[in-house]
Amino acid sequence: SYVATQPPSVSVAPGQTATITCGGSDIRTKSVHWYQQRPGQAPVVVVYDDSSRPSGIPERLSGSNSGDTATLTISRVEAGDEADYYCQVWDRNSDHVVFGGGTKLTVL
Amino acid sequence: QVQLQESGPGLVKPSQTLSLTCTLSGGSISSIDYYWSWIRQSPGKGLEWIGYIYYSGTTYYNPSLMSRVTMSIDTSKNQFSLRLSSVTAADTAVYFCARLTEKYYYGSGSYRYFDYWGQGSLVTVSS
Repeated sequence: SYVATQPPSVSVAPGQTATITCGGSDIRTKSVHWYQQRPGQAPVVVVYDDSSRPSGIPERLSGSNSGDTATLTISRVEAGDEADYYCQVWDRNSDHVVFGGGTKLTVL
Repeated sequence: QVQLQESGPGLVKPSQTLSLTCTLSGGSISSIDYYWSWIRQSPGKGLEWIGYIYYSGTTYYNPSLMSRVTMSIDTSKNQFSLRLSSVTAADTAVYFCARLTEKYYYGSGSYRYFDYWGQGSLVTVSS
């Protein structure tokens, strides 16, 4: 089955740019979605279909997908961005959902 | 506004069956563009997809849990359910229900992502 790999942690200073990656075999052929999960809360989608943002999600959060890596970029990082971030793909061949292992974003 | 709410016992004994129900409000569980899903998260761990069910009753399960999982749907009550048999301490987790939405590309192809989640229900497996 498909595997999506994320770094366990990313640290960034306020105002800087955070980059969270999601690696997978030829992931560019899949639609990648990103979720933000704050402690004690349910995940919330922040980017879907590689680079689309739901209403209410700030433009500071953006996504891209190329080759074997999809990326969630958070510009001008704020303390409130500190959370766990998960990528997700749907494997159409198996009809299965796959989550990456998650990345903990720490704002220094 | 779409809302999902999990309900069920918070404590299950080892070897017994975990049962949870998710109730949808603000929408119809019979809509053709949505799949109704269960995801769990063990303490301090990541998200694990359990499976999803379509309004017709068609199910798709995570291969790692397939032998123990049964999902069902009750369109008259706008509810869907999860049963996980032969539980152990490793099944202790927060269980989320969520709506998996399918969107279509112009021309051909589609993708699926979770656009609405329940708040989660902690289930502890312990004697």
